Amino acid sequence: QKEVEQNSGPLSVPEGAIASLNCTYSDRGSQSFFWYRQYSGKSPELIMSIYSNGDQEDGRFTAQLNKASQYVSLLIRDSQPSDSATYLCAVGWDAGKSTFGDGTTLTVKP
Amino acid sequence: DGGITQSPKYLFRKEGQNVTLSCEQNLNHDAMYWYRQDPGQGLRLIYYSQIVNDFQKGDIAEGYSVSREKKESFPLTVTSAQKNPTAFYLCASSDNQPQHFGDGTRLSIL
Repeated sequence: QKEVEQNSGPLSVPEGAIASLNCTYSDRGSQSFFWYRQYSGKSPELIMSIYSNGDQEDGRFTAQLNKASQYVSLLIRDSQPSDSATYLCAVGWDAGKSTFGDGTTLTVKP
Repeated sequence: DGGITQSPKYLFRKEGQNVTLSCEQNLNHDAMYWYRQDPGQGLRLIYYSQIVNDFQKGDIAEGYSVSREKKESFPLTVTSAQKNPTAFYLCASSDNQPQHFGDGTRLSIL
């Protein structure tokens, strides 16, 4: 059984701070990793993809991957109240399938 | 615009009734997926299909059925055998990775 574990949360940060979300996975052979944002009552939206060790940056978002430690993280710089959502970590495997973590709920307080 | 359309947005099921959730995509993706999400939980895979006229069970297929007669369409039937159907149902599609989601269908029991 391929497993993906995320911080149980909830996570609360003040506006303007850095939010750090973490995820570990069990399958050492996994090659693709994704972060989705899910607002309450809505469907998940892909915000970051990362495929190789190191950092992948897109605006205020940085995904970090360490395959040796089987660890992937998401940093959100200059957090805004609009970033308040649940963040799902997903690990891709076998021909398009993904395993999702249970999510970490982030609240950014003005 | 390309995307994934799920309908209806809300659905109510009576005791002993089968209901069908629609999922249509115009992204020309080969693979399609159905997930169930319970409150505060991650996504659990019900069924997936990587090619027309072929589909496989996911982790929680009991009480559900699917068909894949056209590349664009992957309907999910929630049968009366599914005793706890109340959940948020998400359809996704992909061309290998990552997966992209429709807006979801919220199913409740009357």
